[in-house]
Amino acid sequence: GENVEQHPSTLSVQEGDSAVIKCTYSDSASNYFPWYKQELGKRPQLIIDIRSNVGEKKDQRIAVTLNKTAKHFSLHITETQPEDSAVYFCAASMGNNDMRFGAGTRLTVKP
Amino acid sequence: SAVISQKPSRDICQRGTSLTIQCQVDSQVTMMFWYRQQPGQSLTLIATANQGSEATYESGFVIDKFPISRPNLTFSTLTVSNMSPEDSSIYLCSGGTFQETQYFGPGTRLLVL
Repeated sequence: GENVEQHPSTLSVQEGDSAVIKCTYSDSASNYFPWYKQELGKRPQLIIDIRSNVGEKKDQRIAVTLNKTAKHFSLHITETQPEDSAVYFCAASMGNNDMRFGAGTRLTVKP
Repeated sequence: SAVISQKPSRDICQRGTSLTIQCQVDSQVTMMFWYRQQPGQSLTLIATANQGSEATYESGFVIDKFPISRPNLTFSTLTVSNMSPEDSSIYLCSGGTFQETQYFGPGTRLLVL
């Protein structure tokens, strides 16, 4: 089955700096890669996703890149703000919505 | 996007008892799933809830322990049976359309004493 690894497990940045979280997946058949943000005590919220026919996608301060050959994808957050502090999860799916999640990255943005 | 609600939001239960968690979606979704999330951990898929048929369980999860129903496209239940303290966790349902985004419910926080 699919195995998703996520790094780093914790990340601390200064407000205004960029943050990068990386994930690798094992199954080359995976074709959908969402990123979720989970604040303490809240549900996971989708922040951006990418499909295997696209190499990069951007939404304001958030971008995701995908390298199918290397089977890894990354989340980039620019101009970080304290409200970006949360746990971020990557996931991989083979289109049947049977998603496998990474272990999560706890991002802290220091004001 | 689908709006998903769950109830109860939290519960404290005695060991040996069972709890049924309900999940309601505001629009028809093809897929519904149940996840477990231990505090500070990632999400682990328990099973796919199939409409009108038996759920598809992941390795390590069995129907006798986690019976699931999905009588229609917008509603599903998960029962945690014969609970022990090890079942204390957050249980989340999610829903989505085939090959589209999954949206999560707010979760049910379960504590078993």
